[in-house]
Amino acid sequence: AQSVTQLGSHVSVSEGALVLLRCNYSSSVPPYLFWYVQYPNQGLQLLLKYTTGATLVKGINGFEAEFKKSETSFHLTKPSAHMSDAAEYFCAVSYNTNAGKSTFGDGTTLTVKP
Amino acid sequence: EPEVTQTPSHQVTQMGQEVILRCVPISNHLYFYWYRQILGQKVEFLVSFYNNEISEKSEIFDDQFSVERPDGSNFTLKIRSTKLEDSAMYFCASRRTGAGDTQYFGPGTRLTVL
Repeated sequence: AQSVTQLGSHVSVSEGALVLLRCNYSSSVPPYLFWYVQYPNQGLQLLLKYTTGATLVKGINGFEAEFKKSETSFHLTKPSAHMSDAAEYFCAVSYNTNAGKSTFGDGTTLTVKP
Repeated sequence: EPEVTQTPSHQVTQMGQEVILRCVPISNHLYFYWYRQILGQKVEFLVSFYNNEISEKSEIFDDQFSVERPDGSNFTLKIRSTKLEDSAMYFCASRRTGAGDTQYFGPGTRLTVL
């Protein structure tokens, strides 16, 4: 069964510091990988995705993620945190089967300190 | 930009009552999904729908749940006899093609069962 693990349910950084949110997946077939952001009482907004091709993908709001097959990882980074980045972040995986449902990780709450 | 819409934004119901949550997916999309998120928890897959039939459903999606696409635009989730534990945010999502395509989420319906 496909699964996603997000290490660290809470991450706190200072404004201007590097943001690193970790995501690992388990899979025996090539995955499609996604990062979503959720602000309080709102829906899910896609930050970026990896399907095929270049393993370093850039998304909105200055975020990027690198697919590392050997490590089964898709960690999310941003060089310099902004106060507006404070939110819940979800990593998700889907596969080219079963109409492509997404399986989500438990989420990581990012806090940005002034 | 096209978006997925959901109504109502908040539904309060008594235990044992039937509720219908409504979604209007993006018009040229072919795959439709319902997910739920219990407060403070991760997003969980409920059901996927393609070509006018359920393509996959999770263990959560028991006989109390049903989905329908009654016309060319709406996609509904019905819960026949609500339980307290059905209280959650329900998200509708759609995508145009298969698993690697971007899945667009609606803003969600918050269901509160009293």
